[in-house]
Amino acid sequence: QQPVQSPQAVILREGEDAVINCSSSKALYSVHWYRQKHGEAPVFLMILLKGGEQKGHEKISASFNEKKQQSSLYLTASQLSYSGTYFCGTDSNAGNMLTFGGGTRLMVKP
Amino acid sequence: DVKVTQSSRYLVKRTGEKVFLECVQDMDHENMFWYRQDPGLGLRLIYFSYDVKMKEKGDIPEGYSVSREKKERFSLILESASTNQTSMYLCASCPGGGSIYEQYFGPGTRLTVT
Repeated sequence: QQPVQSPQAVILREGEDAVINCSSSKALYSVHWYRQKHGEAPVFLMILLKGGEQKGHEKISASFNEKKQQSSLYLTASQLSYSGTYFCGTDSNAGNMLTFGGGTRLMVKP
Repeated sequence: DVKVTQSSRYLVKRTGEKVFLECVQDMDHENMFWYRQDPGLGLRLIYFSYDVKMKEKGDIPEGYSVSREKKERFSLILESASTNQTSMYLCASCPGGGSIYEQYFGPGTRLTVT
């Protein structure tokens, strides 16, 4: 079953903050976050692992609540370049495959 | 820089045709994936390969098959294309060893079946 992302879409002004959530019905081993700009390939942002380890870009922050089976991506002081669709991908089996959410469309306006 | 390339950006095929989508990665990754992307549904995994000639079904394998004869190349095959297979197809790769590694995506192939 796919994780549920919220909100489905959000519009921001430059400099505003946003939070994107990803909730799963299963216990999670890892959560991945990717951003896809229109017409381009998804690009890696961050991996959060059970136990607290994180890997990713310095300017991106995220949280992983293992008990609640959810992760949140924090976008602070948004820039125009943050526009795109954000996907979370989850792994519940410590395997190789991810199940992706439906995406959150973010638009940052000047 | 990791590069994942896909053979075509756009493809138009007729119903019933056999369709091959090719993906090549240049970083010696063990794992390769084929996803289908549809609006509102995100990325759905079709097939995964963890080694040459090895594959596992993903969430939506029906109507698709795959081939991995060389480590760097992973092909998606639509045996008899149907209109409901019109979609964006994305290939990805990553090192073996579990979901602790980021996936690198290709630019996608937009397939239209008429």
